[in-house]
Amino acid sequence: QQPVQSPQAVILREGEDAVINCSSSKALYSVHWYRQKHGEAPVFLMILLKGGEQKGHEKISASFNEKKQQSSLYLTASQLSYSGTYFCGTEGRNAGGTSYGKLTFGQGTILTVHP
Amino acid sequence: DVKVTQSSRYLVKRTGEKVFLECVQDMDHENMFWYRQDPGLGLRLIYFSYDVKMKEKGDIPEGYSVSREKKERFSLILESASTNQTSMYLCASSLRGPDEQYFGPGTRLTVT
Repeated sequence: QQPVQSPQAVILREGEDAVINCSSSKALYSVHWYRQKHGEAPVFLMILLKGGEQKGHEKISASFNEKKQQSSLYLTASQLSYSGTYFCGTEGRNAGGTSYGKLTFGQGTILTVHP
Repeated sequence: DVKVTQSSRYLVKRTGEKVFLECVQDMDHENMFWYRQDPGLGLRLIYFSYDVKMKEKGDIPEGYSVSREKKERFSLILESASTNQTSMYLCASSLRGPDEQYFGPGTRLTVT
């Protein structure tokens, strides 16, 4: 089952902040975040592997609440270059404990940053 | 730089034709994936492979098959194309396990 992303779309002015949420109905092994600009392939932003883990990437950071099966992506002081569609990809825990990186992606959140 | 290439950017096929989509990666990655992307549905996994000749079904494997005879090449096959398979197809690869995935540029397939 696909994770649910919210909001579906967000419009910002340069310098504003945004939060994108990703919720799963199953226990998670990892959460990935990708950004896709129009007409281009998705590009990796970050992976979160441990519950409670937070990671940063320039002014973009993310957290992973394993207990709630949720992850959030934080974009601070947004820039025009942040515009695009953001996808979370989740990998569920399996009994064997192995990971093949098999991701189930959310439907995406369209972020538009205006000058 | 990791490079993932796909055989065609645009492809138009007729209903019932057999279609081959090829993907090649040049970084010795173990894992390779095929997704389709449709508006409002995000990326949906069709098949993936974690080793040569190994394949696993993804979330929407019906109507598709795959082949991985060499580590660097992963092919998606539509045995008998149908109009509901019109979509953007993206290939990706990752080193192993839950590593970041590198995506190819995509193939926009239209089945008429």
